[in-house]
Amino acid sequence: EAQVTQNPRYLITVTGKKLTVTCSQNMNHEYMSWYRQDPGLGLRQIYYSMNVEVTDKGDVPEGYKVSRKEKRNFPLILESPSPNQTSLYFCASRPAGGARGYTFGSGTRLTVV
Amino acid sequence: GENVEQHPSTLSVQEGDSAVIKCTYSDSASNYFPWYKQELGKGPQLIIDIRSNVGEKKDQRIAVTLNKTAKHFSLHITETQPEDSAVYFCAASILDSNYQLIWGAGTKLIIKP
Repeated sequence: EAQVTQNPRYLITVTGKKLTVTCSQNMNHEYMSWYRQDPGLGLRQIYYSMNVEVTDKGDVPEGYKVSRKEKRNFPLILESPSPNQTSLYFCASRPAGGARGYTFGSGTRLTVV
Repeated sequence: GENVEQHPSTLSVQEGDSAVIKCTYSDSASNYFPWYKQELGKGPQLIIDIRSNVGEKKDQRIAVTLNKTAKHFSLHITETQPEDSAVYFCAASILDSNYQLIWGAGTKLIIKP
């Protein structure tokens, strides 16, 4: 089944403790992206990647890092999480070019206390 | 840059009635307008999209209309059913190989039995 897999689904952590949210897709998509979703603010892009070793900042990149060493994986790293990073996070992918829909993962609910 | 406004933020309709969600965009160069549906506990999923060379597109009970002059587009759902209850997001983009979606803030659609 074609899908984007995020792990973990739920995570509670403490301020300052480094964490990684993994994202993997099995569709050979070139493009991958991370979003955060907060009530009333919709989907805000954190980082995106057009292909392996090519990443760029989205609208809200502060406090986050990403890497794209392999085409299928696009982990989101929070080096020193803070409470304002409590949110629902989504990873998405799509093929390069054309009007192709994004495929989203099921989301990661992160709480930083 | 592009800005997308979506209204209303919440819409409650009686089962069987129609629902309309509207979005306006600011960049006249935008030429691709998808709609995504997000069910509870899941990531958004593409339900319909339209390009600027088309004024209307239908898929069963769902239709999208585009008014390029006024820079707005709308999602129409007819004969609403309980499974239509979800959050709906509109988006806009200039379609090229590096296209990025600019998202509306979302509309929570509630179908009353």
